[in-house]
Amino acid sequence: QSVLTQPPSASGTPGQRVTISCSGSSSNIGSNTVNWYQQLPGTAPKLLIYSNNQRPSGVPDRFSGSKSGTSASLAISGLQSEDEADYYCATWDDSLNGPYVFGTGTKVTVL
Amino acid sequence: EVQLVEFGGGLVKPGVSLRLSCAASGFTFSSYTMNWVRQAPGKGLEWVSSISSGSSDKYYADSVKGRFTISRDNAKNSLYLQMNSLRVEDTAVYYCARDSTFDPWGQGTLVTVSS
Repeated sequence: QSVLTQPPSASGTPGQRVTISCSGSSSNIGSNTVNWYQQLPGTAPKLLIYSNNQRPSGVPDRFSGSKSGTSASLAISGLQSEDEADYYCATWDDSLNGPYVFGTGTKVTVL
Repeated sequence: EVQLVEFGGGLVKPGVSLRLSCAASGFTFSSYTMNWVRQAPGKGLEWVSSISSGSSDKYYADSVKGRFTISRDNAKNSLYLQMNSLRVEDTAVYYCARDSTFDPWGQGTLVTVSS
């Protein structure tokens, strides 16, 4: 059972803006930076955002991340059909349960 | 090109052992923390274990602690996961991933535990 909560699904039409939330606690998001991963159907996850709001080389600037307190969010602006995927937030957790925790995951559907 | 390739998965019965390997190339393997993450069929991602660059620090999820052992051989650019006393609930695709940002990931290897 994940300690980071995400909505199970989100959707939008091409060109729209979609936002995914990630809710945690003081021991994880509240005290560590957040990473986001994109998992296209049938493939391995890929780092999308690191350190709350940084994009790795090659990630389009329509993907953006933010963090406030014990929550984080991922925004996809100008939604495209190839953005249809599962998205996971993740961060380190300072509790005894283990160093790294993933969110429950959000399936983004492009209508 | 940075590349991670996992192998060693397969179909096994409950209670047996299996050793996964992850071959790294395209970067200085010995400089990075390495990780194992798994994904049960149709489910989300679950962190399994991490090991520091020099093997001094090892961390495990509660679900595998005492049964799984992470190790590495920096001379062979390889990461390992020794899985003992396997359970049906360990069935998953196992990925290795580099560094504290988990970037990049390998393609994964499927472990199926079934009687």
